Amino acid sequence: AQTVTQSQPEMSVQEAETVTLSCTYDTSESDYYLFWYKQPPSRQMILVIRQEAYKQQNATENRFSVNFQKAAKSFSLKISDSQLGDAAMYFCAYRSAINTGNQFYFGTGTSLTVIP
Amino acid sequence: NAGVTQTPKFRILKIGQSMTLQCAQDMNHNYMYWYRQDPGMGLKLIYYSVGAGITDKGEVPNGYNVSRSTTEDFPLRLELAAPSQTSVYFCASSHGQINSPLHFGNGTRLTVT
Repeated sequence: AQTVTQSQPEMSVQEAETVTLSCTYDTSESDYYLFWYKQPPSRQMILVIRQEAYKQQNATENRFSVNFQKAAKSFSLKISDSQLGDAAMYFCAYRSAINTGNQFYFGTGTSLTVIP
Repeated sequence: NAGVTQTPKFRILKIGQSMTLQCAQDMNHNYMYWYRQDPGMGLKLIYYSVGAGITDKGEVPNGYNVSRSTTEDFPLRLELAAPSQTSVYFCASSHGQINSPLHFGNGTRLTVT
C-alpha cells in the first residue's frame, strides 16, 4: 500500500504571513492524484486543492498553492496571507488510479495554528 | 444539496452493545468508504464499496461489518463494541474517476465505556 507522510505534527504562522506544510508519499505508480484536505474544529473535512500527477503545473486555489515535485514524491501546501480561519488540521491524501476501489491514503495530519 | 449524511453525530455505547452508523449520499457516487480517525493517526480505512452489492475490507475491518444494498446507503455495523472502537467515524463517497475527491459526512463521535 502507498504511504503518505506528513512530518510536521504541528505548525504555527502569524496572521497575514505565509506557511508551507510538507507531504511526501511513496509509490511506484505513475498515474495518481494528490489532495489536501482541511479539517477545522467543526470536524468537517473540506477539500482544499488537488493535483494530477501528469500535470507539471502546480495547482492554485486563491491563497492556496502546491509545490509538486514528482521525482522527489513531494507535495507541499503553501498558504499565503494566512487568516484566522485557516487554523485547522490539514491532511494530505493520495489516490491511486489502478488499485481496487481507487483507495485514498491519508497522512497523519498537520495541526496549523494561526497567531493573531 | 445534502451530499453525504451521517447519523448519529454522537453516541455512547457500553462494552458489548451493538449499533449501526448510518450513511447516505445523494450524488449517485458508486464508491463509498468508512474511515475511523484516531488522534494523531490520520484516517484509517475500515471498509469500502465500489457499487451496490459489492463491499471489501480496508485496513482495519475487525469488529465491523457493512452492507451496500443500494447506491445511496452504506451502513456500518459495530458488533460487541469494545473500548478500542472509541473514535470518530467518517463516511465518504466519490465518483470512480481518479480526479474525483472524497466527499465526507460530518462524522460520528463514538465512545465505548
